[in-house]
Amino acid sequence: DIVMTQTPLSLSVTPGQPASISCKSSQSLLHSDGKTYLYWYLQKPGQSPQLLIYEVSSRFSGVPARFSGSGSGTDFTLKISRVEAEDVGVYYCMQGIHLMYTFGQGTKLEIK
Amino acid sequence: EVQLVQSGAEVKKPGESLKISCKGSEYTFTSNWIGWVRQMPGKGLEWMGVIYPGDSETRYSPSFQGQVTISADKSISTAYLQWSSLKASDTAIYYCAKVVGLTRWGGSGFEDWGQGTLVTVSS
Repeated sequence: DIVMTQTPLSLSVTPGQPASISCKSSQSLLHSDGKTYLYWYLQKPGQSPQLLIYEVSSRFSGVPARFSGSGSGTDFTLKISRVEAEDVGVYYCMQGIHLMYTFGQGTKLEIK
Repeated sequence: EVQLVQSGAEVKKPGESLKISCKGSEYTFTSNWIGWVRQMPGKGLEWMGVIYPGDSETRYSPSFQGQVTISADKSISTAYLQWSSLKASDTAIYYCAKVVGLTRWGGSGFEDWGQGTLVTVSS
C-alpha cells in the first residue's frame, strides 16, 4: 500500500499570510501514462471534502488562484499565497495511481 | 452540474443490516467509477472501495474487503454500500464520490462528492 504522510498536522495562519503543506508518498505517483495522480482536497467544517488541485498542479473549476500545487515523484506541496478566513478546514492529499486510493492524515488550518 | 445525492442518516443496533445509497445525476452514470469513503468521528478520510456502474466491477481496499459490499443499479443511476451485520465501530459518515481519470483502469481521483450519510450504530 502507498502511504501518504502530511506535514504539518496543524497550521495557524494570520489572514493575508502564506501557508504551505507538504505531502510525501511512499512510492512514486508517476503513472506510465506520464501523469502524476496526486490530489488535494479541503474539508470545511461540517461539509463534504471538495477538490482543490488535481494531478499535482491543476486547479479544479472555481478554485481561487491563491491555491497552487507543485511537486513530482514522491514529494508534493500545496501553497496558499494569502490565507483568507474562508480557507479554514482540514486539507488532505490523496494518491490515485492504480484505482487504489490513499489519503494523508490531514492538516488542520486555523486562522490566528 | 454533477450531483451525488446520498440517503439520509441512519441509527441502527449492532448486528443489524444496512444499505445506504448514492444517486448520480447530470452525467453518464455508467461511465465513471463511484467510490466510497469513510470518516469516523473526528478522524480523517479512508477509501473503502469503488464500483464501475457500467458492469458492476468492484475494487475494495484491503481494510474493507469482506466487511462491506458495494453494488450499483445502473437503471436508476444509484450506487449502494451495505453491511450484513453492523458493529459499533461502523459509526461514521460515509461519502460517495465520482471518480475521474484518463482511462477506466488508470490513475484517477475523486472529483464530485455526495453530502455524506451519517451512520450511528449503538445498542
